[in-house]
Amino acid sequence: GENVEQHPSTLSVQEGDSAVIKCTYSDSASNYFPWYKQELGKRPQLIIDIRSNVGEKKDQRIAVTLNKTAKHFSLHITETQPEDSAVYFCAAMGNFGNEKLTFGTGTRLTIIP
Amino acid sequence: NAGVTQTPKFQVLKTGQSMTLQCAQDMNHNSMYWYRQDPGMGLRLIYYSASEGTTDKGEVPNGYNVSRLNKREFSLRLESAAPSQTSVYFCASSETFQGQPQHFGDGTRLSIL
Repeated sequence: GENVEQHPSTLSVQEGDSAVIKCTYSDSASNYFPWYKQELGKRPQLIIDIRSNVGEKKDQRIAVTLNKTAKHFSLHITETQPEDSAVYFCAAMGNFGNEKLTFGTGTRLTIIP
Repeated sequence: NAGVTQTPKFQVLKTGQSMTLQCAQDMNHNSMYWYRQDPGMGLRLIYYSASEGTTDKGEVPNGYNVSRLNKREFSLRLESAAPSQTSVYFCASSETFQGQPQHFGDGTRLSIL
């Protein structure tokens, strides 16, 4: 089955700086890669996703990049703000009968004012 | 719109007791999911229902059963609770079955003593 590794487990960034979270996956057939944000005590929220036919996707201050050859994808947050503090989860999904998400173990991002 | 509603929000059980976690969505979504979230382990899929009338096992189904009562409701049952089932349980839904949950409920924090 799919295995998703996420790094780092914790990340502290000065407000206004950029943050990068990286994930690797094992199944070369995986073709969908979402990212979720979970604030303390709250539900996970889908913030951005990318499919394997696209190398990069942006939505305002967040972007996701995908390198299919190396089997890794990353979340980039620019101009970080205190409300970006949360746990971020990456995930990967295969196809052809294996359309279930496998999640990474999460990155706790803290924005230092 | 309430989105995805889970009940109860908190529950404490004794080992061996049974209980059912309720989930309902009002978005007319076809697919529904049950996840558990443990510290340091991300989200793991217990069971899912790709469409009304169907249910399938996820990554960690042992000790659980599910019922897709109708299009709106998807319940999770613990027949004989064990301390290892202490966790936060999230229900989620998506418009179609592509494996990715789009909307999560607020979660049920379950402790088994």
